Amino acid sequence: KQEVTQIPAALSVPEGENLVLNCSFTDSAIYNLQWFRQDPGKGLTSLLLIQSSQREQTSGRLNASLDKSSGRSTLYIAASQPGDSATYLCAALQHDSWGKLQFGAGTQVVVTP
Amino acid sequence: SAVISQKPSRDICQRGTSLTIQCQVDSQVTMMFWYRQQPGQSLTLIATANQGSEATYESGFVIDKFPISRPNLTFSTLTVSNMSPEDSSIYLCSVRISSGGENQYFGPGTRLLVL
Repeated sequence: KQEVTQIPAALSVPEGENLVLNCSFTDSAIYNLQWFRQDPGKGLTSLLLIQSSQREQTSGRLNASLDKSSGRSTLYIAASQPGDSATYLCAALQHDSWGKLQFGAGTQVVVTP
Repeated sequence: SAVISQKPSRDICQRGTSLTIQCQVDSQVTMMFWYRQQPGQSLTLIATANQGSEATYESGFVIDKFPISRPNLTFSTLTVSNMSPEDSSIYLCSVRISSGGENQYFGPGTRLLVL
């Protein structure tokens, strides 16, 4: 059974610093890995989707890497801003579990001005 | 991409009552999902609701408690029946779009408080 872990659970940085969020998964037979952002009391916003054949994806200040062999993905947010404060969730889609995204518990990020 | 709306956005309900949550998508999608997020927790899949077939429930979730309808490719409902305070959660509708590699999109969620 796939287990997804996110470390750290919470992170506070001053504005301008780069953020590094880690996601690990136990079963490397994933179809893709997706990073989401969730603001308090709100739904999820998709940030980046990495296919199992890809090593990274970039969108603006965001870059996500994927290393299937080690079961890890990392989300980098460059030059953080207070608006980046949110909970960041990673989720893995298995090849053999067509319906089910397995979510990590999330990393709660606070960027202080 | 997909734009998903949910109604209601939030509700406060009494124990023993039922609430039906609606999910509307701006495009036709085959795969639709309902998730629950309990306070301070991550997301847990309740069921998969594909049009033209019965919903498939995950372990720990049953049809009598969470009946689902999927009448067409753009709409679904989830009912939370005979509610108790333990049902207080955010309920999220989600769809998967196959173009671009099985990207998954979520609605804004329905925040439910059961007293």
